[in-house]
Amino acid sequence: DVKVTQSSRYLVKRTGEKVFLECVQDMDHENMFWYRQDPGLGLRLIYFSYDVKMKEKGDIPEGYSVSREKKERFSLILESASTNQTSMYLCASSPPGQGVSPLHFGNGTRLTVT
Amino acid sequence: GQNIDQPTEMTATEGAIVQINCTYQTSGFNGLFWYQQHAGEAPTFLSYNVLDGLEEKGRFSSFLSRSKGYSYLLLKELQMKDSASYLCAVLDSNYQLIWGAGTKLIIKP
Repeated sequence: DVKVTQSSRYLVKRTGEKVFLECVQDMDHENMFWYRQDPGLGLRLIYFSYDVKMKEKGDIPEGYSVSREKKERFSLILESASTNQTSMYLCASSPPGQGVSPLHFGNGTRLTVT
Repeated sequence: GQNIDQPTEMTATEGAIVQINCTYQTSGFNGLFWYQQHAGEAPTFLSYNVLDGLEEKGRFSSFLSRSKGYSYLLLKELQMKDSASYLCAVLDSNYQLIWGAGTKLIIKP
């Protein structure tokens, strides 16, 4: 079974802090994604990557950056956390292809920015 | 713009059948996914439809009508463990996923 592991289930950070969210997958998937999930809204794509060292902006990249130095690891960085970044963050991976393969999600990191 | 609509919340009784609808307006279509998400857990894949018709997988079935921009997820013989949110997502012409807000399904004994 594919396992996608997010390093923290819960995080509380202060406004202005730099925040790192880590995600590791163990199935050698090329594709990795970061989403945020907010009540009443569909999942919104922040960044994605189809290969090591490669990254693409999603729908809401402002205030975020990513790093993919190794195939199995995809990190989301909040350069200067703000209260409107309080959310559930979901990492996902999938095999190569044009998106017709299902996504495998991690359990999420609930981030609170105070 | 692109839009996915599904009911916010539904309630059903254990042992019964429930149908969760999803309507979509997207730029192009390359398939529709259903995911299940239990509270506090990761979404997990349920089904993928790209052709019209009904696909059955045990107690769960998914239907698609591309001409109507419509899909539904049918859950039979409901069990308490089916209490979860059900997410509908469409793959658009750029192979980007557009997500609905999800339907929270509450099962009562």
